[in-house]
Amino acid sequence: ETGVTQSPTHLIKTRGQQVTLRCSSQSGHNTVSWYQQALGQGPQFIFQYYREEENGRGNFPPRFSGLQFPNYSSELNVNALELDDSALYLCASSPEGTRPETQYFGPGTRLLVL
Amino acid sequence: AQSVTQPDIHITVSEGASLELRCNYSYGATPYLFWYVQSPGQGLQLLLKYFSGDTLVQGIKGFEAEFKRSQSSFNLRKPSVHWSDAAEYFCAVGSNDYKLSFGAGTTVTVRA
Repeated sequence: ETGVTQSPTHLIKTRGQQVTLRCSSQSGHNTVSWYQQALGQGPQFIFQYYREEENGRGNFPPRFSGLQFPNYSSELNVNALELDDSALYLCASSPEGTRPETQYFGPGTRLLVL
Repeated sequence: AQSVTQPDIHITVSEGASLELRCNYSYGATPYLFWYVQSPGQGLQLLLKYFSGDTLVQGIKGFEAEFKRSQSSFNLRKPSVHWSDAAEYFCAVGSNDYKLSFGAGTTVTVRA
């Protein structure tokens, strides 16, 4: 049990729509990262937030955006959905005082784009 | 750029037998290395991590991994596999630029 929760668990959208995925971490986990895991592949880093500021970004277009809130929750927003956005989206948080690379993952949100 | 290769896509092992999963990484400096396990429909659980020091790392659930700089490897082992170890296993490398790079994963099937 990592204390990281994600909602919703499953989601179906159509191409062109927008989606917001949510993540809630434990108190004191002020670093949160988001990953995309396509079927049969390893997770790919999307971006990371530290104390509500973006702290690094992977090779994803600007239509992937995020927010982090003071209550240790965060959001991943994806605009203009494409079929290839279908994947498991994982958030991961890191407690204060640990290396950002040590991340505790939530169960994920499975997004299907039709 | 950092990257991870897991050469084995799928491994089948008998319950009680030993297990070794291979991981090779590419990174210019001293890497931070991780093994995660993912059960069907679940998120990723950290098994163990290596940052520095002793190259043999002990993790949860009886797993261990050995860092070999000369071979750029970080193989995961378990002496005796249980049926509950059936899952997908991911090796990952991290660095000071805060992101983890994962391999494509190895699926482990345990037969009775």
